[in-house]
Amino acid sequence: NAGVTQTPKFRVLKTGQSMTLLCAQDMNHEYMYWYRQDPGMGLRLIHYSVGEGTTAKGEVPDGYNVSRLKKQNFLLGLESAAPSQTSVYFCASRVVGANVLTFGAGSRLTVL
Amino acid sequence: AQSVTQLGSHVSVSEGALVLLRCNYSSSVPPYLFWYVQYPNQGLQLLLKYTSAATLVKGINGFEAEFKKSETSFHLTKPSAHMSDAAEYFCAVSGPYEKLTFGTGTRLTIIP
Repeated sequence: NAGVTQTPKFRVLKTGQSMTLLCAQDMNHEYMYWYRQDPGMGLRLIHYSVGEGTTAKGEVPDGYNVSRLKKQNFLLGLESAAPSQTSVYFCASRVVGANVLTFGAGSRLTVL
Repeated sequence: AQSVTQLGSHVSVSEGALVLLRCNYSSSVPPYLFWYVQYPNQGLQLLLKYTSAATLVKGINGFEAEFKKSETSFHLTKPSAHMSDAAEYFCAVSGPYEKLTFGTGTRLTIIP
């Protein structure tokens, strides 16, 4: 099915390790987003991209980096993971001119 | 900047009873408003959206919401709850073509 695919779905890291979450969409959407979801806090925007080669900071960008080298992919990196980054991460995308987001199924990250 | 406040992090209703989930917004520009639903271990799905057309918006699964500018509210309702409605519901706001800002969510429990 067309949509937003996130990999991996689950990951356990030790403090200080690095990892990359991959988001891939096959809908030719221009805009892509990374959110984190924490209990009682809803979804908070980490970084977003309005097109290939461009990225911007969201509400909670510290400790994360992103890249959008190809239009269909949006990577979220953690260079040195911390327990505070234990969360469920969601990628979303949308087409220009529409406010409706299409979400991936989420990636659950635990940092020990 | 836009923001939304969801009143009640947990709501329980009996099967067949009215569902009312509350959302108030703050926006310096005419807002676009959304309700998303998240079923366990899944991403978010759009329930309905308000984009300055009709103030009463009908969504999927029998849900609807009414935009009330005088009350800065966008409450979600369903006349008769079904067991399958158990999920977490998120209100969100954006300006035209801008990033979505989510509320903290309301977990809906249906009592048999």
